[in-house]
This record gives sequence, C-alpha cells and structure tokens, in this order.
Amino acid sequence: GQQVMQIPQYQHVQEGEDFTTYCNSSTTLSNIQWYKQRPGGHPVFLIQLVKSGEVKKQKRLTFQFGEAKKNSSLHITATQTTDVGTYFCAGKTSGTYKYIFGTGTRLKVLA
Amino acid sequence: DTAVSQTPKYLVTQMGNDKSIKCEQNLGHDTMYWYKQDSKKFLKIMFSYNNKELIINETVPNRFSPKSPDKAHLNLHINSLELGDSAVYFCASSQWTSGRAGGANVLTFGAGSRLTVL
Repeated sequence: GQQVMQIPQYQHVQEGEDFTTYCNSSTTLSNIQWYKQRPGGHPVFLIQLVKSGEVKKQKRLTFQFGEAKKNSSLHITATQTTDVGTYFCAGKTSGTYKYIFGTGTRLKVLA
Repeated sequence: DTAVSQTPKYLVTQMGNDKSIKCEQNLGHDTMYWYKQDSKKFLKIMFSYNNKELIINETVPNRFSPKSPDKAHLNLHINSLELGDSAVYFCASSQWTSGRAGGANVLTFGAGSRLTVL
C-alpha cells in the first residue's frame, strides 16, 4: 500500500537556526498538504501543493513539491520557539478521498 | 464556536468494556474522518464518510464501528476494548472538491479524544 515517510524523525535546533523536513511517497501524488501539530494539540492545516515543482512561501516557511510529485519539503528559516511541534505531510493520489499522513518530524527549538 | 468538536476529551476504561466517541462539525462539510494517533505520533486513517456514505474503511478490527447519522455527525463505537486501543482519536472534516488536483480536501481536525485502556 501507499506509504509516506518523513525524515528526520526528530530535530533539535537552536533558536535562529534553519530547519528542513523531507517527505517521500512510494506513489505519485495528485497533491500534498502540510500540517503542524503543537504538543498536546491537534493537526492544523498549513498549505497545499498541487503542481509539479511548485514552491510556496508563508513568511519564514518555504514548501516545495518535487518534479515527479513523489516528494516534498518544508524549510523554516530562522526558527523561533513558536515553531515547536510535529510537522506532517499528507499525500493523496488521484481518484481517492484518502490522505495518507507521513510519519512526522518532531521539531524542538532551544532558546 | 468550535468547528469540529469531539466528546469526551478523555476516556479511561477497563479492558473488555465498550465505549463511544462522538464528533460534530458545524462547518457544513460533506466528508468526515476518524484518525488514530498512537504513542509514536503516527496518524493513521480509520474511516471516512461522505454525505453519510462510508467511503474509506481501512483494515481496522471489526470491534470498531463508525456511524454517521447525518453529514454533520460521525460517531465511533468500540467493542471489547483492548490495551492496544489506547491512543488519541481525532475526528476531522473536509469539503470534497474535484478538479485538476485530483480532488482536494483541507482537513479540519477536532481537539482529539484520548482513550486509555487499563
């Protein structure tokens, strides 16, 4: 079945350092979403990418969708303590309702 | 006004008991989901209903039975609870859209229901 892996599983950074998480799907995706889950909270939608090679920015966050639509990345510039949480990608193949969530990357930011 | 609300927030029960979790959304969405998040934080889809019709039914033990009385409500009933059922169960909803993206749903999650089986 379809699998979505993320690396790294955990990342500790000093405040101000950059952070990147990578998402890889075993199958070609029609679109990919990114969610953030704060400790003790629930996943919250960040962004959706649809086109091959698409790049989107939200302030310090940059999202990319790979050319083959099988991988994606989230890059945070100059992390802040408010960035702490688990970042999930969620991929969907065409013709299905199902979003498969990645394994998640847990980010800890040290002040 | 909470968009996706789940009850109860916490549930502690003994092995072998039967329990239910309820979910309601006031977003007017047509699709609702149950996800299970285990202790390693993996989020796994269990079920989904679109306009009260079951559209996703993953390989979940048949002790788990979802019910959607209308498109704003999705409940989860669990029979004969086992230790391995301990997890956080998230309800989510979305509005299904079709199109070039092969369909797109932005999921809005509830706050979660933490189930502990002793």
